[in-house]
Amino acid sequence: AQSVTQLDSHVSVSEGTPVLLRCNYSSSYSPSLFWYVQHPNKGLQLLLKYTSAATLVKGINGFEAEFKKSETSFHLTKPSAHMSDAAEYFCVVSTSEGYQKVTFGTGTKLQVIP
Amino acid sequence: KAGVTQTPRYLIKTRGQQVTLSCSPISGHRSVSWYQQTPGQGLQFLFEYFSETQRNKGNFPGRFSGRQFSNSRSEMNVSTLELGDSALYLCASSPGTSGIETQYFGPGTRLLVL
Repeated sequence: AQSVTQLDSHVSVSEGTPVLLRCNYSSSYSPSLFWYVQHPNKGLQLLLKYTSAATLVKGINGFEAEFKKSETSFHLTKPSAHMSDAAEYFCVVSTSEGYQKVTFGTGTKLQVIP
Repeated sequence: KAGVTQTPRYLIKTRGQQVTLSCSPISGHRSVSWYQQTPGQGLQFLFEYFSETQRNKGNFPGRFSGRQFSNSRSEMNVSTLELGDSALYLCASSPGTSGIETQYFGPGTRLLVL
């Protein structure tokens, strides 16, 4: 069984300040982990992925995430928020148990205040 | 290349009706996956088609069905609509290899069931 918990449904930051979006997961198998972003009326866009290589993963638009196995966490961070970062973010876990099983987190809405 | 296109973008139906949604993948992509996104349940995987065959299936009732044509275009059908079927339905295409990170998402079809 696998699950994903995004600890905050809403996060609000001021422009230029750091962003932290939290994600915890559980999985019986070695998981692949992803962060996706969804802007209003747009589809999902892949930000970054972890697939058992380096634990610190760099993605697009200045985002990065660190895989911490001991804490079963995969938090998304960005040093300085930009207005264009306002969107909903999804943490995703994927395992291959004969077939690929994908589980999405419930999402975190990021608000960036000017 | 054109991205994934979904038609229609918005749809209003009444309970008991049926609905068909269409997805045109990126040229050359052979796999199409469908997802349902609701505020309560988040993003959930419906099914995946590859070369006109269902390759993977989520945990949805039989009212939800799909198919894929020889040109890789896919349709999703929901019969006997219920209020809870109101959602954003996302389609994603990929070249054919497994892995959610290879998927490109369309903008979605927003279905409202009254």
